[in-house]
Amino acid sequence: GENVEQHPSTLSVQEGDSAVIKCTYSDSASNYFPWYKQELGKRPQLIIDIRSNVGEKKDQRIAVTLNKTAKHFSLHITETQPEDSAVYFCAASIGYGGSQGNLIFGKGTKLSVKP
Amino acid sequence: NAGVTQTPKFQVLKTGQSMTLQCAQDMNHEYMSWYRQDPGMGLRLIHYSVGAGITDQGEVPNGYNVSRSTTEDFPLRLLSAAPSQTSVYFCASSPTAASTDTQYFGPGTRLTVL
Repeated sequence: GENVEQHPSTLSVQEGDSAVIKCTYSDSASNYFPWYKQELGKRPQLIIDIRSNVGEKKDQRIAVTLNKTAKHFSLHITETQPEDSAVYFCAASIGYGGSQGNLIFGKGTKLSVKP
Repeated sequence: NAGVTQTPKFQVLKTGQSMTLQCAQDMNHEYMSWYRQDPGMGLRLIHYSVGAGITDQGEVPNGYNVSRSTTEDFPLRLLSAAPSQTSVYFCASSPTAASTDTQYFGPGTRLTVL
């Protein structure tokens, strides 16, 4: 079946450094790629997303890039801060039955930012 | 708007018991879905609905039933709970079933089956 692979599973950086998380997807029909941040015991929160007609999107310290030919997309966090510590999930839209609006998730990256 | 709400927050069941996890949204969203989250597994789609009266299976539907009698509510039923269903369950909604709509998650229900 279709899947999304996410790497690395854990990432530790010093405060102020950059962090990069990479995902690859298998469904060539996927056209929406959100990133969610999940703090311990909380719900996933959307932090940024990108649609297939765009190659890059930036929101302050967070950016996402998409390479549709290679079927991969990446999350970039610059000037990391301790409050960036969380689990990050990538996802890709996938079709089940009559809907194209479902998401398939990567397994997550636990980011730790050390002060 | 309260957004997406879920009840209960925590639940402990014995093997074989049945229960319903509640999910509601007040944003008039067409699309609603249920995910389960297990350690190291990310979120996996159980069932989804593209509108009132319409439901369909996701990646891991076995052991779960859903119904969508109103736009606002999308309950998830466990007919005979098993220890393998111990997980955190998240409900999500989005404005339409379009592939590019943002999905918003509820706070989750932590279920333990003994």
